[in-house]
Amino acid sequence: DTEVTQTPKHLVMGMTNKKSLKCEQHMGHRAMYWYKQKAKKPPELMFVYSYEKLSINESVPSRFSPECPNSSLLNLHLHALQPEDSALYLCASSHFSLRGGAARPELAKNIQYFGAGTRLSVL
Amino acid sequence: GENVEQHPSTLSVQEGDSAVIKCTYSDSASNYFPWYKQELGKRPQLIIDIRSNVGEKKDQRIAVTLNKTAKHFSLHITETQPEDSAVYFCAAVPNAGGTSYGKLTFGQGTILTVHP
Repeated sequence: DTEVTQTPKHLVMGMTNKKSLKCEQHMGHRAMYWYKQKAKKPPELMFVYSYEKLSINESVPSRFSPECPNSSLLNLHLHALQPEDSALYLCASSHFSLRGGAARPELAKNIQYFGAGTRLSVL
Repeated sequence: GENVEQHPSTLSVQEGDSAVIKCTYSDSASNYFPWYKQELGKRPQLIIDIRSNVGEKKDQRIAVTLNKTAKHFSLHITETQPEDSAVYFCAAVPNAGGTSYGKLTFGQGTILTVHP
């Protein structure tokens, strides 16, 4: 099973709303990612969690707040977003982990499996 | 950091023709190169990948070649079909040891259209 599940599929929110995006995987992956993707552009990395700890934050504005409650779940909390934040938000997971990765070269491929995304519109 | 250039940005072919998409990367520490296909409104899906210790890999109609010295890699699709129409992204991943380990750096994407 290479399934990464994201909910909701679509979300419309106002600039004063608070909402959350959810991502779940049951592949035993210990790294999870949030990406933002604009139309016909590549995904842009936002956050990386490794063993439930935030390991990479790509200078994302604080109105985006990630959370990793356990190894299978990843949330992205949204607050006071701007219209330019409207995009497809993709979650991904992989076996890769910053911890011990060099000792296990078979993990070095870092195959990332993507969810179907949440299409977010900020009004 | 890593920079990946991808060409062409759009590619239009007739069904049955071959399609070639090329990427170059800047960081010699990158050692893993996946290709993702993204159909309209769908998730990116890995279609083929290659490690830096391999020069070529083939999977049915899809092949990837890597020239580590020149820092470029290419995707080759033969006998194209309309269902191959999608956006294709190349990516590069650095090897272990640095703070960028595991980060995918994507190319800008190629919109492939296969006309019946």
